[in-house]
Amino acid sequence: GAVVSQHPSRVICKSGTSVKIECRSLDFQATTMFWYRQFPKQSLMLMATSNEGSKATYEQGVEKDKFLINHASLTLSTLTVTSAHPEDSSFYICSASDLGQPQHFGDGTRLSIL
Amino acid sequence: QKEVEQNSGPLSVPEGAIASLNCTYSDRVSQSFFWYRQYSGKSPELIMSIYSNGDKEDGRFTAQLNKASQYVSLLIRDSQPSDSATYLCAVFGQNSGNTPLVFGKGTRLSVIA
Repeated sequence: GAVVSQHPSRVICKSGTSVKIECRSLDFQATTMFWYRQFPKQSLMLMATSNEGSKATYEQGVEKDKFLINHASLTLSTLTVTSAHPEDSSFYICSASDLGQPQHFGDGTRLSIL
Repeated sequence: QKEVEQNSGPLSVPEGAIASLNCTYSDRVSQSFFWYRQYSGKSPELIMSIYSNGDKEDGRFTAQLNKASQYVSLLIRDSQPSDSATYLCAVFGQNSGNTPLVFGKGTRLSVIA
């Protein structure tokens, strides 16, 4: 159980493009979803915490107008990287949890902006 | 500020040996403790959880928790090259509701054949 599906797994696009990443909990209701970014050889960096039906809470230094998060249902959250630039190239990972339960991670999305 | 500390490594062990990974945490009221494994280029995978003092065994993995010392460890017996990965310690506080786990920066384990 506790499967989290993330799509797409890989995106390559031109600078200025907006990219949407989906995160779905397949067999449980995720009251909370988390979005992380990880640069090569570095540790996970939490970007934002998203609770179903409410606005996401962003970590310090993360631009909320740049990284739009929507969590409209208990099984789906989306992250949109707006007007992406090469410095946004990274490995984006979502995780989901139900209240008090451990987080389960999606497989990640490798974003490359040319 | 809640903190989780891990030695970044790399920790190198020969195949068949026991690998010992350690983690300390600052929040005394933490209640739940997890170990994740992350292979290079992949997302973290939950491998162990422990909630009470003592040892918990699952196959070749044993998690050990000492709340008085604010210390949690992961032992991997009969280490295999396929165990080579970064191991992340994560802590969940009491009544944390929907707040995120606090992760350590991870320890890189290398099992040498």
